[in-house]
Amino acid sequence: KAGVTQTPRYLIKTRGQQVTLSCSPISGHRSVSWYQQTPGQGLQFLFEYFSETQRNKGNFPGRFSGRQFSNSRSEMNVSTLELGDSALYLCASTQGRGDITDTQYFGPGTRLTVL
Amino acid sequence: AQSVSQHNHHVILSEAASLELGCNYSYGGTVNLFWYVQYPGQHLQLLLKYFSGDPLVKGIKGFEAEFIKSKFSFNLRKPSVQWSDTAEYFCAVNPPEGSYIPTFGRGTSLIVHP
Repeated sequence: KAGVTQTPRYLIKTRGQQVTLSCSPISGHRSVSWYQQTPGQGLQFLFEYFSETQRNKGNFPGRFSGRQFSNSRSEMNVSTLELGDSALYLCASTQGRGDITDTQYFGPGTRLTVL
Repeated sequence: AQSVSQHNHHVILSEAASLELGCNYSYGGTVNLFWYVQYPGQHLQLLLKYFSGDPLVKGIKGFEAEFIKSKFSFNLRKPSVQWSDTAEYFCAVNPPEGSYIPTFGRGTSLIVHP
């Protein structure tokens, strides 16, 4: 099976712009989670989707949003980019209902640089 | 809010040395505990996990971790490291009830010299 894929792998944007990142989970996986990884804060949970519904949300401002499509693919959007949004954005998928006991499989991430 | 502390930010060892990476969490209830590893240029992947039962958990590549409830700790160990163990290691905690939101530690960078 193919692993979790994320596109694009690298992005450079300027402050004030918006960006959309895409994640394709492993085939058959229905739960998708997003994380922001920075050297100072480590991995921080953004949100989790299951069957096109956002089930859980981390402590991020409303500029960060996401959605999931019927084929389980997910996108996250960041509007009005700030310098502090520069980070590696990771997507992870899980099988079944995505219970917390399930193993998460991570993608390679999208490296976002905001200038 | 729960937090996860990884006390060793950078660890440098020689091959065959023993490894112990510390992880402490602040959550007071029952928890699920994980260690993830990120090898250079690779995806983050699960090393091992604890949900219940035997507090000594064995994972891939010879790693193990011990859950000590009284100390709120879940330290990762390996008796003899190899150069290929060079990676970033993350401890994570999920409360099994209520919110799903997992909390990760900031990671420990391990460098193993051949």
